[in-house]
Amino acid sequence: KAGVTQTPRYLIKTRGQQVTLSCSPISGHRSVSWYQQTPGQGLQFLFEYFSETQRNKGNFPGRFSGRQFSNSRSEMNVSTLELGDSALYLCASSAQPQDTNTEAFFGQGTRLTVV
Amino acid sequence: DQQVKQNSPSLSVQEGRISILNCDYTNSMFDYFLWYKKYPAEGPTFLISISSIKDKNEDGRFTVFLNKSAKHLSLHIVPSQPGDSAVYFCAANAGGTSYGKLTFGQGTILTVHP
Repeated sequence: KAGVTQTPRYLIKTRGQQVTLSCSPISGHRSVSWYQQTPGQGLQFLFEYFSETQRNKGNFPGRFSGRQFSNSRSEMNVSTLELGDSALYLCASSAQPQDTNTEAFFGQGTRLTVV
Repeated sequence: DQQVKQNSPSLSVQEGRISILNCDYTNSMFDYFLWYKKYPAEGPTFLISISSIKDKNEDGRFTVFLNKSAKHLSLHIVPSQPGDSAVYFCAANAGGTSYGKLTFGQGTILTVHP
């Protein structure tokens, strides 16, 4: 069974640009969550989607948005990039929403560098 | 407000000995806890989890202990192997309206020496 696939693995963007990251969950998984990892803040929750609906959102500005498609694939978009958005962006999938206490499995992440 | 804390940034252990990684939390709504292992430039790998209705869960060399009254959990690795060297994160979920939100600690770097 294939794991969680995130594309691209690495990305370099300029301040002010926008970026779209993609995540394909494990086959059969319907819940996708996104996290940002930075050296100073650690792993922070961005948002979670289940059956194309955003169920929860972390404390990030509106420049961070996402969506989920009918095949459970998810995209995350960051507009008007800032230097501080440089981070490892991780996607996690689980078979059920996390409130039913199931494990979340992570992809390898997308390393975004904003210059 | 850091709701999940791993107070030891690093831990060094000899191969074959026990590694004990600790995690404290403040949010009494957390009812599910997970441990992940992470190598640089990779995503976290799920290791083991525990529900708040239990106080212990074992999976091979990994055992997680939960002390709800102290709001403390620990991960025991026995015996430790050099391949266990990585960053270990504990994470917690409050269920209910928290849905897919995991709150992570800052991580502990485990180094297992041959």
